[in-house]
Amino acid sequence: KNEVEQSPQNLTAQEGEFITINCSYSVGISALHWLQQHPGGGIVSLFMLSSGKKKHGRLIATINIQEKHSSLHITASHPRDSAVYICAGLTQGGSEKLVFGKGTKLTVNP
Amino acid sequence: GAGVSQSPSNKVTEKGKDVELRCDPISGHTALYWYRQSLGQGLEFLIYFQGNSAPDKSGLPSDRFSAERTGGSVSTLTIQRTQQEDSAVYLCASSSQGLFWETQYFGPGTRLLVL
Repeated sequence: KNEVEQSPQNLTAQEGEFITINCSYSVGISALHWLQQHPGGGIVSLFMLSSGKKKHGRLIATINIQEKHSSLHITASHPRDSAVYICAGLTQGGSEKLVFGKGTKLTVNP
Repeated sequence: GAGVSQSPSNKVTEKGKDVELRCDPISGHTALYWYRQSLGQGLEFLIYFQGNSAPDKSGLPSDRFSAERTGGSVSTLTIQRTQQEDSAVYLCASSSQGLFWETQYFGPGTRLLVL
């Protein structure tokens, strides 16, 4: 069964702190999406990666294929980063589809 | 340019009624995806279209759910004989070439409540 697990479920930080959100996935997942869901519900795709590391502004995503683990880092966190961050695995073999983690709710306090 | 739009934004219906949810993807985008987010639950993949074709319908929760896409543009998700467990936010996304590893652009969702 293709599975994606995220941790922590909830995370509270002070403005300026370095944030790490983790995602572990099972065999059968070939790549990962990181998504951001704003408090109003809108979803934005942040990264798609199958190897290595990607950076966009203060956001960095890494993936370790051998360990089947990905991390999303936020440097110099800001209250506007408060959102739910969702990891989604792309299944391989047969029909492709995305399998979602349950999300990490991040709250950054001023 | 315009993003992905969905209508209606909210829908309240009675158990047993049929509902139709609409998605207008970004112009020129080949692929269109439907997802569901139930209260307190994570996102769930339902179906995707490459052009007008849906290669895999196994993600649809039951045979009461169907989806179609015409003209490579607008898509409709239909739920027949709605049940209370169908209450959720239904999200649509599109991407330019129909590859799952592309960036997907999400619509605002349709919040469905079945009474």
